[in-house]
Amino acid sequence: AQSVTQPDIHITVSEGASLELRCNYSYGATPYLFWYVQSPGQGLQLLLKYFSGDTLVQGIKGFEAEFKRSQSSFNLRKPSVHWSDAAEYFCAVGPFNNAGNMLTFGGGTRLMVKP
Amino acid sequence: DAGVTQSPTHLIKTRGQHVTLRCSPISGHKSVSWYQQVLGQGPQFIFQYYEKEERGRGNFPDRFSARQFPNYSSELNVNALLLGDSALYLCASSIFRVMNTEAFFGQGTRLTVV
Repeated sequence: AQSVTQPDIHITVSEGASLELRCNYSYGATPYLFWYVQSPGQGLQLLLKYFSGDTLVQGIKGFEAEFKRSQSSFNLRKPSVHWSDAAEYFCAVGPFNNAGNMLTFGGGTRLMVKP
Repeated sequence: DAGVTQSPTHLIKTRGQHVTLRCSPISGHKSVSWYQQVLGQGPQFIFQYYEKEERGRGNFPDRFSARQFPNYSSELNVNALLLGDSALYLCASSIFRVMNTEAFFGQGTRLTVV
């Protein structure tokens, strides 16, 4: 069965500092990996996705993620965090041929940004 | 262009009642999926529908059902509501079975069962 683990439930960083959110997955086939962001009471916004090819993918809002097959990881990074990045971040995995449907999500990491 | 729209945005129901949630996909999208997000947790996949047929189902009891209409909109129905059904219900629409694209999520319906 597939699963996604986000080991950090909460992370606090200072504005301007770098950020890395961890994600480990277990999936029995070719994974299709995603990072979503959710502001309180809102839906999910896609930050980036990895399907194939270059293992370092760029997303919106200055985020990037690196796929490491040997470690079953897909960590999200940002070089300089802004106060507006405070939100909940979810990593997800799904079948590669289903247009991002039938996703399995991690439990999320809540990011707080100190001024 | 309108995104995925869900209605209502909030509702309160009593245990044992039935509820219907609605979703309109992005124009041109023929697949609709439903997710349940309990407070403090990640979303959990409930159903995927395409061309009015169920194409995938998560680990949810039979109290949960859904359908898709000819205009590709969808309803999620939950019978015999339990307190544990209180959650944000998210709908997502997409093209069906295409690689390297993604589903787009609505803002959700917040269901509170009292």
